[in-house]
Amino acid sequence: GESVGLHLPTLSVQEGDNSIINCAYSNSASDYFIWYKQESGKGPQFIIDIRSNMDKRQGQRVTVLLNKTVKHLSLQIAATQPGDSAVYFCAENTGGGADGLTFGKGTHLIIQP
Amino acid sequence: NAGVTQTPKFQVLKTGQSMTLQCAQDMNHEYMSWYRQDPGMGLRLIHYSVGAGITDQGEVPNGYNVSRSTTEDFPLRLLSAAPSQTSVYFCASSLNPTPKYGYTFGSGTRLTVV
Repeated sequence: GESVGLHLPTLSVQEGDNSIINCAYSNSASDYFIWYKQESGKGPQFIIDIRSNMDKRQGQRVTVLLNKTVKHLSLQIAATQPGDSAVYFCAENTGGGADGLTFGKGTHLIIQP
Repeated sequence: NAGVTQTPKFQVLKTGQSMTLQCAQDMNHEYMSWYRQDPGMGLRLIHYSVGAGITDQGEVPNGYNVSRSTTEDFPLRLLSAAPSQTSVYFCASSLNPTPKYGYTFGSGTRLTVV
């Protein structure tokens, strides 16, 4: 996951800059990865996903990169906006999906004006 | 289309009390699950269901029961509440067990056990 211990790591970026949020996943057999955004007081919201047979996937202002060699996932947010301020979680799924997703501990993205 | 609806939003229980957290979805999703979220941690799976009449345990099932009598509803029961169960609980659903489109989450129930 993104951190060890009880505290969320924090990433502070200037409005308009690009943000990169990193995640180390644990299971080499995981075949599907998702990034979620969680705003204060709300449930996680799907952002983008990627399958293990891909290295990169792009959405609107977001890009996910997957490096299976080092079991690393990253979320890039272009031209960060105030509305991007939230906690971001990566999640991995190991084949089939019936046993749910394993979530990382999250990164708190703070946007500086 | 309400999505995933959780009730109540907030609840305070005394140690030893029991209660049921409600979760309902109107998207005809087969897959439903319950997660708990503790401060500074990611979500952890409690129980899940791949369809009506089928439930299974997740990572942290102790102290919780579930049932799935209908496709729409997936209640989570706390049998005898303990302070360690103080957490935010999220219900999630998906069209099928493979989360191809990600899960849809409810807005959560914040539970405090005193």
